[in-house]
Amino acid sequence: DTAVSQTPKYLVTQMGNDKSIKCEQNLGHDTMYWYKQDSKKFLKIMFSYNNKELIINETVPNRFSPKSPDKAHLNLHINSLELGDSAVYFCASSQGWTSGYNEQFFGPGTRLTVL
Amino acid sequence: GQNIDQPTEMTATEGAIVQINCTYQTSGFNGLFWYQQHAGEAPTFLSYNVLDGLEEKGRFSSFLSRSKGYSYLLLKELQMKDSASYLCAVRTGGGNKLTFGTGTQLKVEL
Repeated sequence: DTAVSQTPKYLVTQMGNDKSIKCEQNLGHDTMYWYKQDSKKFLKIMFSYNNKELIINETVPNRFSPKSPDKAHLNLHINSLELGDSAVYFCASSQGWTSGYNEQFFGPGTRLTVL
Repeated sequence: GQNIDQPTEMTATEGAIVQINCTYQTSGFNGLFWYQQHAGEAPTFLSYNVLDGLEEKGRFSSFLSRSKGYSYLLLKELQMKDSASYLCAVRTGGGNKLTFGTGTQLKVEL
């Protein structure tokens, strides 16, 4: 049973296209996250939702729009894809938003390649 | 802003002990996490420190000194499967936002 799953695993597309990545967690967690990991393996937070409410929105171009239809799902839609968007995108979840022993569980990642 | 530093690469021998250091400069420190990431895979949680001292978990231990802005991950009895990237992440503020370091690529050799 996969705890945090993402689809697709690989995504190859042309510049200017619009694409979506989907994430689902079956852990019963309240909080979900999107991270971007660039070619230098630097992992950076993009967005976080807690109980379907947006609580983190880092300095991300507004071409990126997250959507959380329910607590178990967090999708990422990207408009007008650019070469610099090529990266691995990880979804993660945690039990809640408050501090404490609140580890984040990561999905397998989606490798996006923009040509 | 926040600054988290780790060595880029380390090499160690199977069966040995290796220490991976992480130094940070942040405001509102509220915990430090270590994650392991094998090539092409997701990061997986290893350890969590919020108070000063050593946390031990099998072959892995993690140490924190808040006054020095310093943590290390200690891996004992190294195995080939420990070859991976090790990510230090600092949590700040009252929520669960993590800021990751650039990671240390560990190579275990025979």
